[in-house]
Amino acid sequence: DSGVTQTPKHLITATGQRVTLRCSPRSGDLSVYWYQQSLDQGLQFLIQYYNGEERAKGNILERFSAQQFPDLHSELNLSSLELGDSALYFCASSVAEGPYEQYFGPGTRLTVT
Amino acid sequence: AQSVTQLGSHVSVSEGALVLLRCNYSSSVPPYLFWYVQYPNQGLQLLLKYTSAATLVKGINGFEAEFKKSETSFHLTKPSAHMSDAAEYFCAVSKTDLFGNEKLTFGTGTRLTIIP
Repeated sequence: DSGVTQTPKHLITATGQRVTLRCSPRSGDLSVYWYQQSLDQGLQFLIQYYNGEERAKGNILERFSAQQFPDLHSELNLSSLELGDSALYFCASSVAEGPYEQYFGPGTRLTVT
Repeated sequence: AQSVTQLGSHVSVSEGALVLLRCNYSSSVPPYLFWYVQYPNQGLQLLLKYTSAATLVKGINGFEAEFKKSETSFHLTKPSAHMSDAAEYFCAVSKTDLFGNEKLTFGTGTRLTIIP
């Protein structure tokens, strides 16, 4: 158990819908990262937050957004969902910024039908 | 841009045999390198990391990796494979941008199968 929790574990929704994925980092970790893992794209970095502020962006679509709240939990919002958004979404946390190891949550499996 | 290449998307070894998973990096500066393991239906777990302190890095579960600058490699090894090692393994490189923001770039992964 990494100490990072993600809810829900599974999500099935229809095209065009909007969903919110939730992540609680390890106790004391200030940085949260979101990743998308799919068969065709592999593991892709989406976005990073540090202590409530956006720090780095990767291959995140404009239909996707995220935020980190004062209690340090984070939410990833996915809207106007398409079939191709079906993937595993991982949240990871680290103690600070920089080359620290990231601890991954168990992921949320999103299926868009 | 910093990146990693994992040679071999699938590797099969017999139980008790040497495990060798290959990772080459491209980086203009000394990189920070990581190996992560993903067991079925789970998130990624850190196996080991290289942060320039020592070229031979020992990790969990008997794995180790050697940083070779001359070969731009960071291959993962384990002397004797166990059935429980069956998983997907990812090599990753950390890049810090001008603002101090760190991003991990992952390789495409190597699926390790252990033959009884």
